[in-house]
Amino acid sequence: KAGVTQTPRYLIKTRGQQVTLSCSPISGHRSVSWYQQTPGQGLQFLFEYFSETQRNKGNFPGRFSGRQFSNSRSEMNVSTLELGDSALYLCASSSGLEGHTQYFGPGTRLTVL
Amino acid sequence: AQSVTQLDSHVSVSEGTPVLLRCNYSSSYSPSLFWYVQHPNKGLQLLLKYTSAATLVKGINGFEAEFKKSETSFHLTKPSAHMSDAAEYFCVVSSDSNYQLIWGAGTKLIIKP
Repeated sequence: KAGVTQTPRYLIKTRGQQVTLSCSPISGHRSVSWYQQTPGQGLQFLFEYFSETQRNKGNFPGRFSGRQFSNSRSEMNVSTLELGDSALYLCASSSGLEGHTQYFGPGTRLTVL
Repeated sequence: AQSVTQLDSHVSVSEGTPVLLRCNYSSSYSPSLFWYVQHPNKGLQLLLKYTSAATLVKGINGFEAEFKKSETSFHLTKPSAHMSDAAEYFCVVSSDSNYQLIWGAGTKLIIKP
């Protein structure tokens, strides 16, 4: 089975721009979760989509949004980028069932200048 | 509410000596518990998972963890550290209410030659 893929792997943007990151889960998985990882804040949960619906949400401002398509692929969007949004964005795929194992993609490294 | 505490932010051991990374959790039921590893500049990889089948769980790369309900602990061990074990390790517990995973803050494992 192919693993979780994330595109692009690296991205450089400037303040005020917006960005869209993409995640393709493992075939058959219906849940996609997004995390932000920074040296200062560690790993922080952004949101989870299950069967095209947002099922859980972390404590991030509305500038961070996401969606999931019928084929389970997911995108996250960050509008009006700030310097503090520079981070590694990780996507995780799972069946979505209780106690599910999450399988991670390699991440997208976003740098905001 | 569930929570997970990794008792050490950094652990330093010499190559060839045992490794112990400590994790305590709180949960109102029997949760699923995980250990993930993240090597420098890489994504997160599942090391092992506990789902109540056996209290001693064997993972990849010679790691194992023991579930102790009375102590609410799920410590990760390895008999002999290798330089390639240098990474950050995350202890994770499944939520009993919303399918989320609750992440510890991580423990950086440093291996001295």
